[in-house]
Amino acid sequence: DAGVIQSPRHEVTEMGQEVTLRCKPISGHDYLFWYRQTMMRGLELLIYFNNNVPIDDSGMPEDRFSAKMPNASFSTLKIQPSEPRDSAVYFCASSLAGRQYFGPGTRLTVL
Amino acid sequence: AQSVTQLDSQVPVFEEAPVELRCNYSSSVSVYLFWYVQYPNQGLQLLLKYLSGSTLVKGINGFEAEFNKSQTSFHLRKPSVHISDTAEYFCAVSETNAGKSTFGDGTTLTVKP
Repeated sequence: DAGVIQSPRHEVTEMGQEVTLRCKPISGHDYLFWYRQTMMRGLELLIYFNNNVPIDDSGMPEDRFSAKMPNASFSTLKIQPSEPRDSAVYFCASSLAGRQYFGPGTRLTVL
Repeated sequence: AQSVTQLDSQVPVFEEAPVELRCNYSSSVSVYLFWYVQYPNQGLQLLLKYLSGSTLVKGINGFEAEFNKSQTSFHLRKPSVHISDTAEYFCAVSETNAGKSTFGDGTTLTVKP
């Protein structure tokens, strides 16, 4: 298996632009998680899905953030409009039986 | 609700010395416990996990951890570290039959020559 796939790996954008991050989980996994990691705040859980249904989005910082999982093999995290304080590494992870498998992350820089 | 406390934010150690990274957790129900490692510019990867059974769990790269239910701890140990073990280490707890894990704040292990 190729593992969790995230795209793009790096994204540089200007403040106010829309950003879409993509994730393909491992086939057969029933949970999908979106995390954000920064030096200041560490690893934060933004939202997670079970069988494509959002379970807990209490970690989503603002209405500017939204996430979807239209099917078991794809999820997106969208930021609109983006701000410099959104700069971070965003990780997607999928899991089966408690163990999480992380993707390589998307490094987002908002100028 | 569950929580995880990693007692040391940074642990410097010399090569070939032993190391222990401490993790305490709290939960009102049975849990699964995990240690993950994150190398620079990479995602987290599993080092080892405790689901049930033997309280001493062996993982990859020579690491092991011991589950202590009475002390609600899951400390990570390695008898002799290498330069390549320099990384950030995360302890995580998941209530059994729940998909979500709670992560600690991480411990940065720096191995010096």
